[in-house]
Amino acid sequence: EPEVTQTPSHQVTQMGQEVILRCVPISNHLYFYWYRQILGQKVEFLVSFYNNEISEKSEIFDDQFSVERPDGSNFTLKIRSTKLEDSAMYFCASSGGRVQPQHFGDGTRLSIL
Amino acid sequence: DAKTTQPTSMDCAEGRAANLPCNHSTISGNEYVYWYRQIHSQGPQYIIHGLKNNETNEMASLIITEDRKSSTLILPHATLRDTAVYYCPVYNFNKFYFGSGTKLNVKP
Repeated sequence: EPEVTQTPSHQVTQMGQEVILRCVPISNHLYFYWYRQILGQKVEFLVSFYNNEISEKSEIFDDQFSVERPDGSNFTLKIRSTKLEDSAMYFCASSGGRVQPQHFGDGTRLSIL
Repeated sequence: DAKTTQPTSMDCAEGRAANLPCNHSTISGNEYVYWYRQIHSQGPQYIIHGLKNNETNEMASLIITEDRKSSTLILPHATLRDTAVYYCPVYNFNKFYFGSGTKLNVKP
C-alpha cells in the first residue's frame, strides 16, 4: 500500500539554525499538508499546498516557515531560524482530493537545543 | 468554532467490540465525518469516513446518526494492537482540527 515517507526521523538542531524537513507524498496525490504535534499536545495544522502554491496556513506558519515542492516527488518544510518552541513532531500528509482522506507520514521529531 | 467532543478514555476487552462515540453537533451539511487514530507518536492513521450513510471497511464500521450530530466508530473485534488515541477531527476548508481524542485501552 502506498505511503507517505518522511526524512529524517529525528533531527537535532541548534537554536537559530535553518532546518529542512523532507516528505515524499503518495505519488498520485495533489494536495499536501504539514502538521505538527508538540509533545503531549494536539496535532495542529500548519499549511496546505496545492497547484504549487499555499492554499491555507495557520497562525503558527509565520515568516520563519516556508514550503516547497522542488520536483515532482518531494515536499519540504523549511524553518529559517529555529526557536526552542519549534521542538515538536512534524507530520506531512497528502490526499488525492479536497474531500479525500489525508494520509500521514510517521513524522520527523525535531529537537532544538 | 466547529469542534467535536469525545470521551477522554475507554477500556475494551480483547476480542470484544469497541464502540467509540463522537459528538459533532456543529457539522455542516456537506462536511464528511472522518476518523483517525494515533498509535504512540506515529502519524495519524486514517480509518474511515462518511457523509450520511453508515460505512464499513476492513478496519471498522462507522455509524452516523440521522441528524449527523454524532457518530460511532466500531472496531468489531478489538485486539491489543488497537490500543491508540482515536480522533474524529473537524474537517474545515481542506484542513483537520484534531482534538484530544479518546484513548482506547484494549486489555487482555
